[in-house]
Amino acid sequence: DTGVSQDPRHKITKRGQNVTFRCDPISEHNRLYWYRQTLGQGPEFLTYFQNEAQLEKSRLLSDRFSAERPKGSFSTLEIQRTEQGDSAMYLCASSLAEKGEAFFGQGTRLTVV
Amino acid sequence: DQQVKQNSPSLSVQEGRISILNCDYTNSMFDYFLWYKKYPAEGPTFLISISSIKDKNEDGRFTVFLNKSAKHLSLHIVPSQPGDSAVYFCAALANAGGTSYGKLTFGQGTILTVHP
Repeated sequence: DTGVSQDPRHKITKRGQNVTFRCDPISEHNRLYWYRQTLGQGPEFLTYFQNEAQLEKSRLLSDRFSAERPKGSFSTLEIQRTEQGDSAMYLCASSLAEKGEAFFGQGTRLTVV
Repeated sequence: DQQVKQNSPSLSVQEGRISILNCDYTNSMFDYFLWYKKYPAEGPTFLISISSIKDKNEDGRFTVFLNKSAKHLSLHIVPSQPGDSAVYFCAALANAGGTSYGKLTFGQGTILTVHP
């Protein structure tokens, strides 16, 4: 399968714990995006990378959130000291910089209890 | 500030008829528009897109129309099939004359139900 892959698919964690999600983009794509989706809403932009450089971060991305793409391939999104409001679907997408279409992974469903 | 709006939360259509999903935007910098389809517990799947230099793009049963003056686009699905039942998201990009695109801004989505 050469699509965008996310791991894990589901994560249940206790409030205050740290969690880390991984995204493997389509191999030839130089752009990688993270979005968050809550019930009844469209995906909301969090951050994106071109190769290993983080080009933009949303104001939604509080200090507890950090994303990396160390070698310009896979990316990780870490949430520290999770809160119940962090419960959402976290989506990763990749694209070519000169193309508008982004292709999404299946997402990681985070539940903070 | 909702820059992309889908004002119909849901739409119900009979199999074989046309489905029309609507989307409005407010940001004049948007110049590329996309439609995504999403099933429960899955990520969005790209359907069709249109550049602001066009007013129509067609791909099989799916056609997207863009009215720049009204800042409005629509997705037509003809004929509708039960397998089309999903949430449909409109999304927009700003390129502003550059050579690379950035983040997508999504609408809230419309739940389409196609009845057999």
